[in-house]
Amino acid sequence: KQEVTQIPAALSVPEGENLVLNCSFTDSAIYNLQWFRQDPGKGLTSLLLIQSSQREQTSGRLNASLDKSSGRSTLYIAASQPGDSATYLCAGGTSYGKLTFGQGTILTVHP
Amino acid sequence: NAGVTQTPKFQVLKTGQSMTLQCAQDMNHEYMSWYRQDPGMGLRLIHYSVGAGITDQGEVPNGYNVSRSTTEDFPLRLLSAAPSQTSVYFCASTTIGAGGHTEAFFGQGTRLTVV
Repeated sequence: KQEVTQIPAALSVPEGENLVLNCSFTDSAIYNLQWFRQDPGKGLTSLLLIQSSQREQTSGRLNASLDKSSGRSTLYIAASQPGDSATYLCAGGTSYGKLTFGQGTILTVHP
Repeated sequence: NAGVTQTPKFQVLKTGQSMTLQCAQDMNHEYMSWYRQDPGMGLRLIHYSVGAGITDQGEVPNGYNVSRSTTEDFPLRLLSAAPSQTSVYFCASTTIGAGGHTEAFFGQGTRLTVV
């Protein structure tokens, strides 16, 4: 059974810092790794999707990497802003679009 | 483009009542799924569907029924609500791209409280 773990559970940083969120998974036979953002009381917004054949994806200040052999993915956020404050979720994708989620990292960026 | 639409957004039920959570997508995706989100547990898969007429159980299917009569709709039914079903429910629709690559899109969620 696939298990996904996210470290740290919570992170508080001052504005402008570069930061790294970590995601590890137990089964390397994932089809893809998807990072989501969730604001309080809201739904999930897809940030980055890395297919199993890819090593990384970039979107603006966000960069996500995938290392299937070690069972790890990282989300790098450059020059953090207060608007980046949210919960970040990673999910490993398997057959039929099924996702196994980590419990998330709660990020607070203070001015 | 509406994407994935869930209704209602909020619902309070009494123990033993039944209800249906609605989910509709307008992206013509074959795959759809239901998750529940609980504090400390993350999101867990309840049921999923790979196309009209085809559904299967996920990690936590007990107490829930689904059907998929059309590509667009994937309702989740609670037959006899229990307090343990108090949760936030998310519906996802998944696209299948080139090479079988998939990407999930989520609705805004339904917050259900069972008293």
